[in-house]
Amino acid sequence: GENVEQHPSTLSVQEGDSAVIKCTYSDSASNYFPWYKQELGKGPQLIIDIRSNVGEKKDQRIAVTLNKTAKHFSLHITETQPEDSAVYFCAASKNTGGFKTIFGAGTRLFVKA
Amino acid sequence: DTGVSQNPRHKITKRGQNVTFRCDPISEHNRLYWYRQTLGQGPEFLTYFQNEAQLEKSRLLSDRFSAERPKGSFSTLEIQRTEQGDSAMYLCASSLGTGSNQPQHFGDGTRLSIL
Repeated sequence: GENVEQHPSTLSVQEGDSAVIKCTYSDSASNYFPWYKQELGKGPQLIIDIRSNVGEKKDQRIAVTLNKTAKHFSLHITETQPEDSAVYFCAASKNTGGFKTIFGAGTRLFVKA
Repeated sequence: DTGVSQNPRHKITKRGQNVTFRCDPISEHNRLYWYRQTLGQGPEFLTYFQNEAQLEKSRLLSDRFSAERPKGSFSTLEIQRTEQGDSAMYLCASSLGTGSNQPQHFGDGTRLSIL
């Protein structure tokens, strides 16, 4: 069945360092890959997304890469700040089946000041 | 605030009771989704509406669960005869409706606790 695996489950970095979160997906028909940030007591907030016709996308300190052949995609956060501390979810979706989004299990990111 | 709104934020009830949650999507969004999230996990898809039509339901959605979106605007999710395992955060999301995937915007959820 459809599955998204996410690693690591916990990541601790020093302020100013980079953080990388990696995901793999199983359904080759997936064509849309959003990333969400979730803070305590809040719903997931979209931070960046990438479509399958693009290999890389960047928005200020955040970048995503996609390798369709290997079914891998990654989130890169540079110059991390304490306010980046949160749980990050990768997800995969396709144009059929109700556009349902399959989420990874999440990565808890700690940025130490 | 023009984001997705969910009510109530918290619901505590005894096992066996019925509960109903409400979601008000972003006004111009015609797609609406319900998800369930348990501690330490990502959201799990439950169901999807395009306008008032419920087009997709997960196998997670047992016959005790029912969702409606009668006028294509707000939606309700009802759980009948609640069980301990229903304790979770119930999230609603909405998106624009075009032929392709569009970003889903989430509300802050309703946290359900079954005593």
